[in-house]
Amino acid sequence: DTGVSQDPRHKITKRGQNVTFRCDPISEHNRLYWYRQTLGQGPEFLTYFQNEAQLEKSRLLSDRFSAERPKGSFSTLEIQRTEQGDSAMYLCASSPGYGYTFGSGTRLTVV
Amino acid sequence: GESVGLHLPTLSVQEGDNSIINCAYSNSASDYFIWYKQESGKGPQFIIDIRSNMDKRQGQRVTVLLNKTVKHLSLQIAATQPGDSAVYFCAENGGATNKLIFGTGTLLAVQP
Repeated sequence: DTGVSQDPRHKITKRGQNVTFRCDPISEHNRLYWYRQTLGQGPEFLTYFQNEAQLEKSRLLSDRFSAERPKGSFSTLEIQRTEQGDSAMYLCASSPGYGYTFGSGTRLTVV
Repeated sequence: GESVGLHLPTLSVQEGDNSIINCAYSNSASDYFIWYKQESGKGPQFIIDIRSNMDKRQGQRVTVLLNKTVKHLSLQIAATQPGDSAVYFCAENGGATNKLIFGTGTLLAVQP
């Protein structure tokens, strides 16, 4: 499979717990994006990496959120002290410059 | 609450008819636009794109029209099929990082 892979597909966690999601982009794509999508809405931009450098963060990315792309390949998105409002689909997309390929997302439910 | 977000604009068409989905974008400086199809539980899937120096682009069964004067995009799907049933989003390229800004989705329901 040469697409964008995200793991896990689904995560249920209790409020206050930490969660970490992983994204494996298409290998030759140097750009990686994280988006959040709530029910009935379009995806909203969270953050952007070019290779290992995090070059843009949305105001949506509170200090409980952190993202890394340590070797310029896979990326992780961690949410600390989860809140019910964090429940959403977290999407990763990669790009070689123009054009994007999205993964299937991680559905987070905070109970 | 969450129920507010469920009230997506909906377009219901008969199988075989043509569909037209409309979208308004926000930034007159955007130079690249994309239409995505999203099925339940999946990520957005690329359909067709258009650059701002064009006003029309055609693909297989799909056509995108761009009207920069009124900041309006449309997606035309010819001979709509049940497999076209999904939520459709337009997106514009937002800035130097090429992040995407998505519009409000439209739910396309194809009746057999």
